[in-house]
Amino acid sequence: EDQVTQSPEALRLQEGESSSLNCSYTVSGLRGLFWYRQDPGKGPEFLFTLYSAGEEKEKERLKATLTKKESFLHITAPKPEDSATYLCAVQASGTYKYIFGTGTRLKVLA
Amino acid sequence: SAVISQKPSRDICQRGTSLTIQCQVDSQVTMMFWYRQQPGQSLTLIATANQGSEATYESGFVIDKFPISRPNLTFSTLTVSNMSPEDSSIYLCSVDGLAGVDEQFFGPGTRLTVL
Repeated sequence: EDQVTQSPEALRLQEGESSSLNCSYTVSGLRGLFWYRQDPGKGPEFLFTLYSAGEEKEKERLKATLTKKESFLHITAPKPEDSATYLCAVQASGTYKYIFGTGTRLKVLA
Repeated sequence: SAVISQKPSRDICQRGTSLTIQCQVDSQVTMMFWYRQQPGQSLTLIATANQGSEATYESGFVIDKFPISRPNLTFSTLTVSNMSPEDSSIYLCSVDGLAGVDEQFFGPGTRLTVL
């Protein structure tokens, strides 16, 4: 069964304190792995798509990496405005369906 | 990108009643998706709505409980029927792959509370 597990569930960082969020997955043929940011009361906002092991993508203070079993979202020198829930999802080959993890709630303190 | 709006943004309903949620997209799209997000849980796909065909429901979701309409390429509705407190959740619509771009766009969600 396709599955996505994110850790930690919650993370508190001081402003400028870099860290990483983990997304472990099992899927029968990965078509793509997706990262989203979700602010309270809003729908998820797309961040990255990764397709194959070794791929990396960056956007401002965020960098996403992918291996055959997991993905990491690295946050470098975070700011309070980076506080949000970060969701990971996978899409298996041959399907339109996305399987989401439960997310990591990130709080960055000034 | 796509701009997606949902109505209502939130509602408080009585047990046994029904609520219809509207989803409007500013572009024509083939597939629209309806998700449920319960507190502290991941997004769960309810169904996929293609224009001109019956919606496809995921395991655990049935048409009698969650009827969906898709009258055109920019609009869809999800009805939550005969509601119970267990239906309290955030309901989200989304669209996929505009202009060949491999990303999914979400609406702002509808927060439903059933008393």
